[in-house]
Amino acid sequence: KQEVTQIPAALSVPEGENLVLNCSFTDSAIYNLQWFRQDPGKGLTSLLLIQSSQREQTSGRLNASLDKSSGRSTLYIAASQPGDSATYLCAVRRKTSYDKVIFGPGTSLSVIP
Amino acid sequence: EAGVVQSPRYKIIEKKQPVAFWCNPISGHNTLYWYLQNLGQGPELLIRYENEEAVDDSQLPKDRFSAERLKGVDSTLKIQPAELGDSAVYLCASSPDSLQTQYFGPGTRLLVL
Repeated sequence: KQEVTQIPAALSVPEGENLVLNCSFTDSAIYNLQWFRQDPGKGLTSLLLIQSSQREQTSGRLNASLDKSSGRSTLYIAASQPGDSATYLCAVRRKTSYDKVIFGPGTSLSVIP
Repeated sequence: EAGVVQSPRYKIIEKKQPVAFWCNPISGHNTLYWYLQNLGQGPELLIRYENEEAVDDSQLPKDRFSAERLKGVDSTLKIQPAELGDSAVYLCASSPDSLQTQYFGPGTRLLVL
């Protein structure tokens, strides 16, 4: 059974800092991994998707890496801004039953001006 | 392009009362999902539709929850009777097919008193 965990559960940083969010999964047989952002009272928005054959994906100030063998992914946010404050969730699509997505609990990020 | 629409946004009911949630997916999206999200946790799948067919409802508590997707477009999720533990956010998502990125609605926040 695939389990997804995220550490830390909450993070508070001053504006301008670079930061790393962590995601771990128990079954390395994944189809892809995706990072989402959730603002308070809203749904999830996709940020980056990494296929199982890829090592990383970049979009603007965001960089996501994937290490299947160790069951880990990191989301790197450069030069953080107050507008980055949100909950960040990772989600894993398994290689078997690949139409099912398992979400982690999320990391709540606060960027202090 | 309009996103996924959900209503109501908030609902407060007393226990044992019925409640219904409505979702209008993005036009042309064949796959529709209902998720339950508790505070501090990631979304958990309740049911997935491919067009009008429920293809994964293994996590749906069928004694009190029901869902339908008439004509393969809009969907309704119902709880009858509601229990205190049903208090959560109910998210609807859609995707062109089950392997592509899911687009989430803002959710319905349910409080059962």
